[in-house]
Amino acid sequence: QKEVEQNSGPLSVPEGAIASLNCTYSDRGSQSFFWYRQYSGKSPELIMFIYSNGDKEDGRFTAQLNKASQYVSLLIRDSQPSDSATYLCAVNWRGGSEKLVFGKGTKLTVNP
Amino acid sequence: DADVTQTPRNRITKTGKRIMLECSQTKGHDRMYWYRQDPGLGLRLIYYSFDVKDINKGEISDGYSVSRQAQAKFSLSLESAIPNQTALYFCATSDTSGGDLRAQYFGPGTRLLVL
Repeated sequence: QKEVEQNSGPLSVPEGAIASLNCTYSDRGSQSFFWYRQYSGKSPELIMFIYSNGDKEDGRFTAQLNKASQYVSLLIRDSQPSDSATYLCAVNWRGGSEKLVFGKGTKLTVNP
Repeated sequence: DADVTQTPRNRITKTGKRIMLECSQTKGHDRMYWYRQDPGLGLRLIYYSFDVKDINKGEISDGYSVSRQAQAKFSLSLESAIPNQTALYFCATSDTSGGDLRAQYFGPGTRLLVL
């Protein structure tokens, strides 16, 4: 059974702090992982993708992957109020159809 | 212009009516998907298509049908709408040969209310 679990939050951090968002997945064979940002009433927007163990940095965002422990995380440095959104973790299920399985999302609020 | 467009953006219909939601993309991607999103339930896959001749059911296909009219167009139909199909519907695309690990890119969504 393929599952992607995220803490629903809300996660609240002050402006300028580091926000840490976590995601665990059940399919040990999953190979690629994605983070999406979704503002209320809007569509999911791809932020980052990662497939190798370790860290991947893009501006203020860092994705971290640990396949042995089956978790992927997203760090947002110098958080801004504009980062307030729901963050969705998605995992490419290794089954032949290659579908993405999405977590239900973590709602982040950055307080000025 | 947006790469993935959906029409209509908002729709109110009555129980029993047939409606169609349309999706078009200019990204040149071969794969297209339809999702619905409900509060507390996240994104759920309805149907997906890997090319014009390939249509596959997702996890919640009952009550829905799709048509892939061209590589760039993928429409979703509700044959006889019911109130529990009230939701936010998203179309998405991905590229088999993309260097982005086949990430999916979403349209702006259609908000559907079935009375």
